Amino acid sequence: QKEVEQDPGPLSVPEGAIVSLNCTYSNSAFQYFMWYRQYSRKGPELLMYTYSSGNKEDGRFTAQVDKSSKYISLFIRDSQPSDSATYLCAMSQYSGGGADGLTFGKGTHLIIQP
Amino acid sequence: ETGVTQSPTHLIKTRGQQVTLRCSSQSGHNTVSWYQQALGQGPQFIFQYYREEENGRGNFPPRFSGLQFPNYSSELNVNALELDDSALYLCASSLPGGTTYEQYFGPGTRLTVT
Repeated sequence: QKEVEQDPGPLSVPEGAIVSLNCTYSNSAFQYFMWYRQYSRKGPELLMYTYSSGNKEDGRFTAQVDKSSKYISLFIRDSQPSDSATYLCAMSQYSGGGADGLTFGKGTHLIIQP
Repeated sequence: ETGVTQSPTHLIKTRGQQVTLRCSSQSGHNTVSWYQQALGQGPQFIFQYYREEENGRGNFPPRFSGLQFPNYSSELNVNALELDDSALYLCASSLPGGTTYEQYFGPGTRLTVT
């Protein structure tokens, strides 16, 4: 079992729909959880950063962490074609990765159909 | 504020050769991490440099080595290149400490080993 599991997709939804992206993990020591967006042939761009369990909202994006279930989610409201990208979850025991770095999922390829 | 920059953008090398990749961190960021992202996979942590010292390392062999300079820029060196080293190499910079410690990625260097 990999440390972080993420469905690679592709996930295709119509414009305006609510998108739900998820990751599960096995290492209970993870405390910091991030979502990155990566466009084709570009570096990952940090979208959301959450510490421990709970919800965090930023504009159209909501991140949820359930440490008891080892499950994290990213919701995108009013999805736009420009949201089409690969979404990577990442996590760490330490803030910003520390000496162990960030552990990433494989990424989910999201397609928003106009 | 200048973001993370990497050079070169693309590189083609032959198996057995050596390669050096370069990274300039975001202004004020004193920690640099390197990641390898194979096609269709999430980034994998190679190592991290802080104050010119290796601060942590992932599961990569010693032929992957690095340097950090007083201006916080960094190099990744890979000796005895293998075909499996073909990947996107990402550099991320961060400012340690505090509760909003995040890693910001550069655009990456795409290495092809033939």
